[in-house]
Amino acid sequence: AQKITQTQPGMFVQEKEAVTLDCTYDTSDQSYGLFWYKQPSSGEMIFLIYQGSYDEQNATEGRYSLNFQKARKSANLVISASQLGDSAMYFCAMRAVLMDSSYKLIFGSGTRLLVRP
Amino acid sequence: DGGITQSPKYLFRKEGQNVTLSCEQNLNHDAMYWYRQDPGQGLRLIYYSQIVNDFQKGDIAEGYSVSREKKESFPLTVTSAQKNPTAFYLCASTNQPSAADTQYFGPGTRLTVL
Repeated sequence: AQKITQTQPGMFVQEKEAVTLDCTYDTSDQSYGLFWYKQPSSGEMIFLIYQGSYDEQNATEGRYSLNFQKARKSANLVISASQLGDSAMYFCAMRAVLMDSSYKLIFGSGTRLLVRP
Repeated sequence: DGGITQSPKYLFRKEGQNVTLSCEQNLNHDAMYWYRQDPGQGLRLIYYSQIVNDFQKGDIAEGYSVSREKKESFPLTVTSAQKNPTAFYLCASTNQPSAADTQYFGPGTRLTVL
């Protein structure tokens, strides 16, 4: 069965420091995609970064980078130079193929990040 | 501005009532999705639709119904058969096919049963 595991319910980080949010996944598919979303207190899910299973380079988007270790089935999110506005819930998700060849996202349980001033 | 809108933001339902949550997108996306989020948990798929007039059940479809009469609109009805409907509901869309199939989300509707 396909599954996403986020083992850190909550994390603290000092403003301007870097933080790593852990994500491990389980799938038997050869082709898959991994996503990170940010959910502030307002509730909206904001797409941050994507990594395809065949991408050789780790994905980066501004202060976000994805540490993709395929053999270990991990896709950790690294946020550099944390800002107060980074305080939010962060979800790791994996693209799963459905019976009719469409896709859905499978989500982990999330990590709540609090940035301290 | 292109995006996904959901209304209402907050919704209160009495026992035994059906309520409909609105989801509209002007991104010209083909596929649309409804997810449910319970406190402290990730999202679970309720229904999805790849094209107009076609939709499929997700993982937790019981007690819900949808329609897809227009490309831009994918309303979700929470029926009285849904025993525990209090949750946060998120609508998403994506433009298939695309390499990443990134799903973009609306702002959500928080449903509370009184």
